[in-house]
Amino acid sequence: AQSVTQLDSQVPVFEEAPVELRCNYSSSVSVYLFWYVQYPNQGLQLLLKYLSGSTLVKGINGFEAEFNKSQTSFHLRKPSVHISDTAEYFCAVWKTSYDKVIFGPGTSLSVIP
Amino acid sequence: NAGVTQTPKFQVLKTGQSMTLQCAQDMNHEYMSWYRQDPGMGLRLIHYSVGAGITDQGEVPNGYNVSRSTTEDFPLRLLSAAPSQTSVYFCASRASGTGGSGNTIYFGEGSWLTVV
Repeated sequence: AQSVTQLDSQVPVFEEAPVELRCNYSSSVSVYLFWYVQYPNQGLQLLLKYLSGSTLVKGINGFEAEFNKSQTSFHLRKPSVHISDTAEYFCAVWKTSYDKVIFGPGTSLSVIP
Repeated sequence: NAGVTQTPKFQVLKTGQSMTLQCAQDMNHEYMSWYRQDPGMGLRLIHYSVGAGITDQGEVPNGYNVSRSTTEDFPLRLLSAAPSQTSVYFCASRASGTGGSGNTIYFGEGSWLTVV
């Protein structure tokens, strides 16, 4: 069965420090990969997505992610976080031959002033 | 353009009551789905539909029913609510296929359901 692992359930980081949120997935076939952000009491907003091509994907709000096929990872990074980045972040995987999107359990990012 | 609209946003139910969460999209999307979100578990797929008249089960379908009589609407029914169904529910839609806009998933704002 396809699964998505987000290794850190909570990540505290000081303002203006860099952050990496990790995502690993299990799949031996081609996939689409997504990162979503959820601010408190709100819906999900797409941060970025990998479909094909360059393995480094840039998204909104200064976030970027790198697809690593050999390690089946899609880690999210930001070089300098802001207070406003405090939110829940979800990694999602869509196997292209399969009509379902599987979400990871989420990582709660807390930015400390 | 309204996108994906869910109602109600908040609801409190007593155990054993029934209710329907409404979901409508105005983008003519073929694919619609319902997820529930619980702490530490991310979003889990309840049911999904690839077009009018076609529905299928996701990861956690027990206790929920769906139907898809039109392209626009995909209601989620709780026939006999249980406290374990206390959760946040999200409806989502996308176009069919994986090219173009088909790889963009649109989410509703969520419905907060408490069963007491």
